[in-house]
Amino acid sequence: EVQLVQSGAEVKNPGQSLKISCKCSGHSFTTYWIGWMRQMPGKGLEWMGIIYPADSDTKYSPSFQGQVTISADKSISTAYLQWSSLKASDTAMYYCAVISSGYFYDAYDMWGQGTMVTVSS
Amino acid sequence: QSVLTQPPSVSAAPGQKVTISCSGSNSNIGNNYVSWYQQLPGTAPKLLIYENNKRPSGIPDRFSGSKSGTSGTLAITGLQTGDEADYYCGTWESSLSAGVFGTGTKVTVL
Repeated sequence: EVQLVQSGAEVKNPGQSLKISCKCSGHSFTTYWIGWMRQMPGKGLEWMGIIYPADSDTKYSPSFQGQVTISADKSISTAYLQWSSLKASDTAMYYCAVISSGYFYDAYDMWGQGTMVTVSS
Repeated sequence: QSVLTQPPSVSAAPGQKVTISCSGSNSNIGNNYVSWYQQLPGTAPKLLIYENNKRPSGIPDRFSGSKSGTSGTLAITGLQTGDEADYYCGTWESSLSAGVFGTGTKVTVL
């Protein structure tokens, strides 16, 4: 069974950089699409982007393009979401999730537990 | 602002049925699959329905999905207190080449 384990909660100052991770086990990492979603406090889910680790094909929501970078390291079956300069408005829970069908437009079968990112001075 | 519209809340007594609508357009629901997710308080979302009307292994048949034109619907029958959660629809937005989620619906069991 697919398992996704995300890195722990982070507290950062505005302007700092950050890279959070999503480690996958129990499946062939390179055959699945992995997506990242944001959930701001008390708000709904927002789709940020998706990556296909086999060839690093990446798609971003226009709302997040240029604001974050999604990457993956096949050798350790881990996907990443990173910021170069955090803002207070980046404070949110971030989830990774996989699409096991192999089609980027399909549903997210399994979700990580979430990583809470708090940006405050 | 999401391109998929859901009612903010629905409620019913235990044992009753609720339906949640997800309204989109031709560029998203009209030409792509709809999925549904349940988010219990303080937990990560969980897949309930994929490809409009299919249930993953382990999801009870009290949960069902359908799609008609540019709208999707999630139905929950035999409502239980454990069903109190937020529910989100999701699909692909072809015009943006990006995924999208609905605005979310809170289900309350009276």
